[in-house]
Amino acid sequence: SQKIEQNSEALNIQEGKTATLTCNYTNYSPAYLQWYRQDPGRGPVFLLLIRENEKEKRKERLKVTFDTTLKQSLFHITASQPADSATYLCALDDGNNRKLIWGLGTSLAVNP
Amino acid sequence: DAGVIQSPRHEVTEMGQEVTLRCKPISGHDYLFWYRQTMMRGLELLIYFNNNVPIDDSGMPEDRFSAKMPNASFSTLKIQPSEPRDSAVYFCASSSGTGVNQPQHFGDGTRLSIL
Repeated sequence: SQKIEQNSEALNIQEGKTATLTCNYTNYSPAYLQWYRQDPGRGPVFLLLIRENEKEKRKERLKVTFDTTLKQSLFHITASQPADSATYLCALDDGNNRKLIWGLGTSLAVNP
Repeated sequence: DAGVIQSPRHEVTEMGQEVTLRCKPISGHDYLFWYRQTMMRGLELLIYFNNNVPIDDSGMPEDRFSAKMPNASFSTLKIQPSEPRDSAVYFCASSSGTGVNQPQHFGDGTRLSIL
């Protein structure tokens, strides 16, 4: 079955730097991969969706890449700000395009 | 725009009691999802509905869990009887489309503690 691996260790970076988060999967390449942000005590909030035939997607300071050869998606936040501190979750389709499978998330802390 | 609304936000009850969690999805969304989140297992899909009909309940842990969607604007997740291992945060989400190729919109969850 599909497994998703995100860095379990928290990522600490300095304000203004680029944060790069990793999402690796082990089995089939998903048709869709999504990234969400979750703040403490809140539900996940959708950020970006990338399709298998797309190499890269951007939205303001956010960029997602999708490498089906490496079985990996990278999530970048450029010019990071303390307000970007949160847990970031990746999710991908189950292979039947019926539901999402979720990673455990990576905690990001941006220090002023 | 009102988002997904869940109630209660917190629930503390003793084992053996019945627990009912409630969800109002975003108007116009035709898919509704119930998730459970724990530190160890992350977000797990319990059940999802399409146009009020349950499509996949393979994630429901056992018969103690049941979910209903009597109309397009309301869903419940019930646990009876509750056990301490059911303690988790339960999220409801809705989407326009399957939620695989469309964003899912989450409520802020119900934090459930079973003593």
